[in-house]
Amino acid sequence: GAVVSQHPSWVICKSGTSVKIECRSLDFQATTMFWYRQFPKQSLMLMATSNEGSKATYEQGVEKDKFLINHASLTLSTLTVTSAHPEDSSFYICSARDPGTGENTEAFFGQGTRLTVV
Amino acid sequence: AQRVTQPEKLLSVFKGAPVELKCNYSYSGSPELFWYVQYSRQRLQLLLRHISRESIKGFTADLNKGETSFHLKKPFAQEEDSAMYYCALKGLGAGNMLTFGGGTRLMVKP
Repeated sequence: GAVVSQHPSWVICKSGTSVKIECRSLDFQATTMFWYRQFPKQSLMLMATSNEGSKATYEQGVEKDKFLINHASLTLSTLTVTSAHPEDSSFYICSARDPGTGENTEAFFGQGTRLTVV
Repeated sequence: AQRVTQPEKLLSVFKGAPVELKCNYSYSGSPELFWYVQYSRQRLQLLLRHISRESIKGFTADLNKGETSFHLKKPFAQEEDSAMYYCALKGLGAGNMLTFGGGTRLMVKP
C-alpha cells in the first residue's frame, strides 16, 4: 500500500517555542491530507483538513492561528504548533488517501509525532 | 453530525475464544464504515471496510443499517490479535474525512 511518512517521530520543546511537523506521501500525490490529534487513551480527533494550494479547513474548536497548516505541494503538508504550551503535548497523526486509486480507498496514516512541551 | 461509539474501552479474552468488538454509529445518510487496527508501536492501518465484505486475519464485520452497527467479529482469537481497534465512519461528501470511535483495546491472553 501507499506510504505516508511523518517527521519527526517525537519532539520535546520548551514552552513558547514553535514546532513544525511534516507529513509526506512517499509514492503518491495527495491533494488532501488530514491532521488528527490523539490524547492518551483517547481516540483520534480530526483537527483540520489540509488542501493543496489553498487554506486548510479547521474543525470547530481548533485554533487556526495556533495550529498553522501549509500544504504547498502534492506530497507535503506541514503542521506548525505555534507558541507551544504544555497542554499542546499530544500525539499528532496525519493521513492521506491516494486519489489515483478511486473514491472508495483506504486512508493511509503516518506513524505519528509525539510532542512534549516542557 | 456523524458519530461513532465503541462502548468498550477494553476487551480481554482468552486465546481461542470468540471476539466481538462493538461499534455503533449515527449518520443521516449512507456511510462507509471501516475498522482500523493499531498494533503496539506501529501506525494505524486499515483492517477492513464494509464495502469489501471481506475477511481479514479471520475478522469480519457486517454493516447493520437497522441497528446502525458495524461490529467486528472473530470466532477464535489469537494472541497476535492484541491491539487497539478503531471503528471509523466516512460520510458522503465529507471530504473523505474519517470520524473515529473511541477505540477498544483487545487483549488476548494465552
